[in-house]
Amino acid sequence: NAGVTQTPKFQVLKTGQSMTLQCAQDMNHNSMYWYRQDPGMGLRLIYYSASEGTTDKGEVPNGYNVSRLNKREFSLRLESAAPSQTSVYFCASSERGTVVDEQYFGPGTRLTVT
Amino acid sequence: GDSVTQMEGPVTLSEEAFLTINCTYTATGYPSLFWYVQYPGEGLQLLLKATKADDKGSNKGFEATYRKETTSFHLEKGSVQVSDSAVYFCGNSGGSNYKLTFGKGTLLTVNP
Repeated sequence: NAGVTQTPKFQVLKTGQSMTLQCAQDMNHNSMYWYRQDPGMGLRLIYYSASEGTTDKGEVPNGYNVSRLNKREFSLRLESAAPSQTSVYFCASSERGTVVDEQYFGPGTRLTVT
Repeated sequence: GDSVTQMEGPVTLSEEAFLTINCTYTATGYPSLFWYVQYPGEGLQLLLKATKADDKGSNKGFEATYRKETTSFHLEKGSVQVSDSAVYFCGNSGGSNYKLTFGKGTLLTVNP
């Protein structure tokens, strides 16, 4: 049982390049999330998917797109990377997304945009 | 809106010292409250949670009590170990599905 996996672990992009961060969970969870973590800012929600086939904006969605490919996979795309998107990105999942459900986190992707 | 304010670090303690990390919250509904821990180079792991007022969450010697009257969920441990060195995040579900708001994190360093 791998839990939540993310690829890649590290990535360096030049300004304007695009890339997709991959996330998969094997816990049969319905809800999935993308966060970014910046020093002194805690974690901020970028997008979430309440269930397969739905996605919604979080606190900081600008510059990102997401795809809930199936129940297991939720990808995050940067179409034209900017230095302000240098961050550590975490994917998470929860069983139902209700107020009592905890979220399970992946190990993170460290992205640097030069 | 929903928010979390937690004690800013860093916090440095000696092994076997008592730990308190303060956390207060605002929420529009009936939130659940969480403490997560992040070890260096890793993702967040759930440490403990409480889903209603006066509940006490506990795990690995850590405890936190959901206090509605003071809107607080302070993390405590009676005797910290070097292995407890990590960043601790307080989380608030805010009473709404799919929303988990985190504090900015508190870095704890425990010296032998």
